[in-house]
Amino acid sequence: EVQLQESGPGLVKPSQSLSLTCSVTGYSITSNYWGWIRKFPGNKMEWMGYISYSGSTSYNPSLKSRISITRDTSKNQFFLQLNSVTTEDTATYYCAGLPYFDYWGQGVMVTVSS
Amino acid sequence: DVVLTQTPPTLSATIGQSVSISCRSSQSLLHSNGNTYLNWLLQRPGQPPQLLIYLVSRLESGVPNRFSGSGSGTDFTLKISGVEAEDLGVYYCVQSTHAPNTFGAGTKLELK
Repeated sequence: EVQLQESGPGLVKPSQSLSLTCSVTGYSITSNYWGWIRKFPGNKMEWMGYISYSGSTSYNPSLKSRISITRDTSKNQFFLQLNSVTTEDTATYYCAGLPYFDYWGQGVMVTVSS
Repeated sequence: DVVLTQTPPTLSATIGQSVSISCRSSQSLLHSNGNTYLNWLLQRPGQPPQLLIYLVSRLESGVPNRFSGSGSGTDFTLKISGVEAEDLGVYYCVQSTHAPNTFGAGTKLELK
């Protein structure tokens, strides 16, 4: 069974960096594409980016140069870093399998507040 | 970016009723490899999203066959043939043909 689990702080101060980990079991991250998606208060969903089986990345241009997705294949984990956060980055963050969105973590709620 | 227009935003249904949700894209979702990467997700309250349908009409393993997807190009539909109580939640269409991937605004299915 494939399982994804996000971890990281639930509270981040404005202008600081948000860092999250997605731990994957039951599927090697050197296969498939793995992404980060966030859901804002309300229903709006945003695709943030992915890291591929080879380690290449693709990001949503809306996040400009603030985002980085990396991985540790020895631990079967991939990571999200979002820099210079503002209150508008308050959301529930999910990691997921792509391109079909067939595997999802439970999500972690991140609040940006001083 | 590709804009997915999902309608209706809210759907009220009785148990056993059949309902449909529309998802219209601002551009064709046909990929150069011949696939159309249009998927349907359901997010129940307090749960992460769950894949129901991928590649327009393929039913994800374990998903009841009362769910079906259809369409092509820019016009897609999710149909539920006989709503059950466990189907309540927010439905999203999402495209992964074009970067960045984009989501519809969601359709909330409620009990009438």
